[in-house]
Amino acid sequence: AAGVIQSPRHLIKEKRETATLKCYPIPRHDTVYWYQQGPGQDPQFLISFYEKMQSDKGSIPDRFSAQQFSDYHSELNMSSLELGDSALYFCASSLGSQWGGTGELFFGEGSRLTVL
Amino acid sequence: AQKVTQAQTEISVVEKEDVTLDCVYETRDTTYYLFWYKQPPSGELVFLIRRNSFDEQNEISGRYSWNFQKSTSSFNFTITASQVVDSAVYFCALRLNSGAGSYQLTFGKGTKLSVIP
Repeated sequence: AAGVIQSPRHLIKEKRETATLKCYPIPRHDTVYWYQQGPGQDPQFLISFYEKMQSDKGSIPDRFSAQQFSDYHSELNMSSLELGDSALYFCASSLGSQWGGTGELFFGEGSRLTVL
Repeated sequence: AQKVTQAQTEISVVEKEDVTLDCVYETRDTTYYLFWYKQPPSGELVFLIRRNSFDEQNEISGRYSWNFQKSTSSFNFTITASQVVDSAVYFCALRLNSGAGSYQLTFGKGTKLSVIP
C-alpha cells in the first residue's frame, strides 16, 4: 500500500539559508500535518491542512510557511534558518471519518534537516 | 488542555525481561483516542496501537500488551520477553479533534528503552 512520501530525506543547509520540504500524502487522504522533532524531543505539531486549506496551527515559527497544492501534496518552506531548526520533520496524512476513514495519522519517514 | 505524561525517561532491561512503559493522559473530552508509537534509531515513527476512549478492553498482540484504565487515565504498554530489537524510543499520544478534518496528536516526551543482550 502507498505510504506518505517525504523528500528530501536528508538536507544540510547553512544559517540564514532557505529550505523546502515536500510531502506526498496517501492517495485520497484529505488532511496533511507537519511535525517537528528536535534532538531528544517529542514531535511537536506545526500546522495542518484540510482539503488544501489551513485547518490548524501549532508552534510554527513565523519564518516557516506551508501550503497544500491542488494535487494534495504539501510543502514546508523554512527561511532564515537557525541552528535550532535542525530537526527531524515529519509529514503525516489522514482520512476523515466523513469519508469512511478513522482519522488515524500515517507518518512519513521524516526529513532530517541539519543547519550548520 | 490535553497533556500526555511519560514519567520514565529511560529504561534499561536485560533481554528476555518484561518491561512496562507508563503513560498518563489528561483531557476534558469524553471521546478521544490514545496511541503508542515506536521510534527506532533509524528515526521513523512506527504505529503500534490505537485505542478509543469507549473501549477499555486490554489488548495483546504477540509480545505486546496494553492496559487502558480510564479511572486512572492511564494507557500502559508492556513488552514481554524483551528483545534487543525492541530498543527504541516509545511515544504515547493523545488525539485531539480540533477543527474540520484535523486530528492532530499530542505526544508524550517519550521513553527510551534499551534492551541489553
